[in-house]
Amino acid sequence: DTAVSQTPKYLVTQMGNDKSIKCEQNLGHDTMYWYKQDSKKFLKIMFSYNNKELIINETVPNRFSPKSPDKAHLNLHINSLELGDSAVYFCASSHPGQGHPGDTQYFGPGTRLTVL
Amino acid sequence: DQQVKQNSPSLSVQEGRISILNCDYTNSMFDYFLWYKKYPAEGPTFLISISSIKDKNEDGRFTVFLNKSAKHLSLHIVPSQPGDSAVYFCAASALLGSGGSNYKLTFGKGTLLTVNP
Repeated sequence: DTAVSQTPKYLVTQMGNDKSIKCEQNLGHDTMYWYKQDSKKFLKIMFSYNNKELIINETVPNRFSPKSPDKAHLNLHINSLELGDSAVYFCASSHPGQGHPGDTQYFGPGTRLTVL
Repeated sequence: DQQVKQNSPSLSVQEGRISILNCDYTNSMFDYFLWYKKYPAEGPTFLISISSIKDKNEDGRFTVFLNKSAKHLSLHIVPSQPGDSAVYFCAASALLGSGGSNYKLTFGKGTLLTVNP
C-alpha cells in the first residue's frame, strides 16, 4: 500500500549509458515531481507535471527527460550519464490547493544513482 | 542563492527535553511552510505545516511557529524522543504565476537532530 514508490532503489551504471527511473503514486494526486539530492544534501526540484502536463523544468540538462504516461506515473529517463549525475533522486506527488494555499508533497523512498 | 536557510547543520538534545529547529527565508512570496523528517535511505516524510496567515500550528509533540516580519520559522519538539533522531528539512511554498494552482517547494539544507537517551 505504498503511497509513492520508485524503482529501482539503487542503480549503478557506467558513464555514457542511458537509464530510467520509474515512479508511481496511488494517492490520486494530480501533480508529480522529480527532485535531485546531491552530495551537498540540497533537495532541488527538477521537474513537475500536472495531469501529464509539464509545469516546472528547472534548467536541467536536456539529457534528462521526464515521461508521464498517465497522472499516476512519472518516469525519469537519463541519456549519456555523466559522473556528476550521481545523486539520490526523489519522486513526489501532491494535490495542490487542498483547502489551503501552498502544497504538501509526499515523497518516494529515493533512487540512489551511482555513475562510474 | 539560498532562499531557505537552516543555519544549524546539527543539533543534539537529551531525551525528554525540547528540540528547537530553526529556519529563515528570504522570499516574501512564500505563503506556506512545511517541515519534513528524513531517516537515512528513506524519502522525506511530511511532518507539519503552517500557512502564512497563522503564527502557530500544533500537532501533538510538534509545534511550528512562524514570524513573518522576521521571515523566520521554528519547529519545537517536546518532549524529544530517540526516535525523533533524523534530518529535518524546512520547506517553503510559492505559487507559480498568478491565478493558477501550481506551486514550487524550496528546501533548506536540513538539520540533523540527535536525541540522546
